[in-house]
Amino acid sequence: KQEVTQIPAALSVPEGENLVLNCSFTDSAIYNLQWFRQDPGKGLTSLLLIQSSQREQTSGRLNASLDKSSGRSTLYIAASQPGDSATYLCAVRQDFGNEKLTFGTGTRLTIIP
Amino acid sequence: SAVISQKPSRDICQRGTSLTIQCQVDSQVTMMFWYRQQPGQSLTLIATANQGSEATYESGFVIDKFPISRPNLTFSTLTVSNMSPEDSSIYLCSVVEESQYFGPGTRLLVL
Repeated sequence: KQEVTQIPAALSVPEGENLVLNCSFTDSAIYNLQWFRQDPGKGLTSLLLIQSSQREQTSGRLNASLDKSSGRSTLYIAASQPGDSATYLCAVRQDFGNEKLTFGTGTRLTIIP
Repeated sequence: SAVISQKPSRDICQRGTSLTIQCQVDSQVTMMFWYRQQPGQSLTLIATANQGSEATYESGFVIDKFPISRPNLTFSTLTVSNMSPEDSSIYLCSVVEESQYFGPGTRLLVL
C-alpha cells in the first residue's frame, strides 16, 4: 500500500528566501507525481505534474524534482512571497489505468513579510 | 484545464440528516472522483463515479453511507447519509485531464 509523507508539517520563512518542501513515497513504481497548493477554505490548485520518466518540472518560481528510485520529490520555491503562504500537498498516481491519487499529509507554509 | 463547480459551498447540518453535494464540470469526462478531507488531515478518495455504471468505493466507504449518482458526463452528486459529527469534512470532487483538477470543495459541519 502506497504511503506518502511530507516533511516538515509546517514551515515559516522570511519573505525573499528560497525554500524546499519534501515529499517521500514508499512504492517507487508510480505513474506520476503532482504538487498542489491549498488555500484555507478552498479547493486544490495544481502546481506541477511530473511523469515517472521525468526528473523535474518548472513553472515560474517553482521547480519540482523527482527521484523515483529513492521515492522522493522536492518542491523548490524561489524568492518566496507572502502570497505563497498555503498548504502544499504532493500526490502520487500509481498506474496509467488507475487515476486514484494518494496524498501526502501536507506542509503548511507561512511566508513572513 | 477543467473548471469544476460544487454546490453547496458549505453547510451546517443536524446529525441524522442527509446532504447531497453537486459537482458540475465544464467538459465531458469519463470518471469523476469524490474525496474527503477531514479536519487537519489530507485527502482520502471515497469513490470513483463512472457514467452509466455503479460507483467504485474505496476501502472503508460504502454505498449506503455515500450514495453517488452520475447521470451524465458532466455532472455527479455525492450524498452523505445519516450524518454524524465525524462526517464533518471538506468534500471535493475531481476529474483528470492529464493533471488532476479539483472543485472548490463543500465544507460540511455536522452538529
